[in-house]
Amino acid sequence: AQSVTQLDSQVPVFEEAPVELRCNYSSSVSVYLFWYVQYPNQGLQLLLKYLSGSTLVKGINGFEAEFNKSQTSFHLRKPSVHISDTAEYFCAVRTSGSRLTFGEGTQLTVNP
Amino acid sequence: EPEVTQTPSHQVTQMGQEVILRCVPISNHLYFYWYRQILGQKVEFLVSFYNNEISEKSEIFDDQFSVERPDGSNFTLKIRSTKLEDSAMYFCASSTIVAGAVQETQYFGPGTRLLVL
Repeated sequence: AQSVTQLDSQVPVFEEAPVELRCNYSSSVSVYLFWYVQYPNQGLQLLLKYLSGSTLVKGINGFEAEFNKSQTSFHLRKPSVHISDTAEYFCAVRTSGSRLTFGEGTQLTVNP
Repeated sequence: EPEVTQTPSHQVTQMGQEVILRCVPISNHLYFYWYRQILGQKVEFLVSFYNNEISEKSEIFDDQFSVERPDGSNFTLKIRSTKLEDSAMYFCASSTIVAGAVQETQYFGPGTRLLVL
């Protein structure tokens, strides 16, 4: 069975600083990888996804992530964050079947 | 842009009562899901549904849960006899099917926050 580990439960950063949210997965088969964002009191919005091809994927709001098969990682990055990026970020994996398996989430707080 | 909608946004119920959570998936989507998120915990898969059948379910989805597509637009989750531990945010999601294959991206609704007292 697959699992997802988000290594940081909370990441505080200052506005305009770069950020990296870490995600590792375990699976013995090919995976599809996703990052979702949850703003306060809202649902889950897809940020970006890796299905195949280029290991560097770009998403909305200036975020990008890199799939690293050898390290089984899919870290999310943004070169310069804004206050409005404050939210909870979830990494998720899908292998066979239809279910998404989510990580525990990382609360990103951007301070002025 | 089309989106998944859910009603109600909040529901408070007494333990032992039945609740029905409603979802309207994106109109051309045919694969549907329910997930839940207990406060402070990760989002957990409950069930997926296609062609009027459950495709996959988790160990959480026991006999007190059921899903239904009562008409061409709604998708419901029923909890027969609610327990305190059913208090959570429940998310509906949908995805499309292309050439017989379920597409990987699931689009989530805003959720229904259920509180069982």
